[in-house]
Amino acid sequence: AQSVTQLGSHVSVSEGALVLLRCNYSSSVPPYLFWYVQYPNQGLQLLLKYTTGATLVKGINGFEAEFKKSETSFHLTKPSAHMSDAAEYFCSLNAGGTSYGKLTFGQGTILTVHP
Amino acid sequence: NAGVTQTPKFQVLKTGQSMTLQCAQDMNHNSMYWYRQDPGMGLRLIYYSASEGTTDKGEVPNGYNVSRLNKREFSLRLESAAPSQTSVYFCASRGTSGRAGELFFGEGSRLTVL
Repeated sequence: AQSVTQLGSHVSVSEGALVLLRCNYSSSVPPYLFWYVQYPNQGLQLLLKYTTGATLVKGINGFEAEFKKSETSFHLTKPSAHMSDAAEYFCSLNAGGTSYGKLTFGQGTILTVHP
Repeated sequence: NAGVTQTPKFQVLKTGQSMTLQCAQDMNHNSMYWYRQDPGMGLRLIYYSASEGTTDKGEVPNGYNVSRLNKREFSLRLESAAPSQTSVYFCASRGTSGRAGELFFGEGSRLTVL
């Protein structure tokens, strides 16, 4: 079975500070991993994804994430937070096999950015 | 660029009433999904359709039925609504990039069951 765990339902940072949102996964096959962002009253949109190859992936709005197989992690970072980054962030996994096509989402992390 | 369109955006039902949520995509995607979003629980898959004519249960299918009417449309039906079905429902579609394909979401349908 595949699963995704996001550590911390709420993260609060000051504008200009480092953003770190944590995601750990469980998968019996090499995973494909995604980060999505949801702004208030909107649907989710893709920030970035890891499939194969380079383990450090860059996404939109200055976000990046690093796939660490040994730690089963895919944490999302941004060097300097902006007020417009305030949103809810979801880590997602597509493990394939019998779960092919059935993407699994974490519980979400609400990011608050203070002036 | 409509993308994924869901209707209605808001709905209030009484316990026991039925309703259908409509979803249409204009990206020629094969796969379509229905998720529900509840606070602190992320998104949970209700039903999934890999292609026209096929549907498959997700994590929380009880109390729901779906129809993949054609390649564009995928509807979700609540036959007898219950308060536990109060939620935000998202339809999504995905192209033919295998496991690497991203999901494209609609704006959501907010359902309250009294």
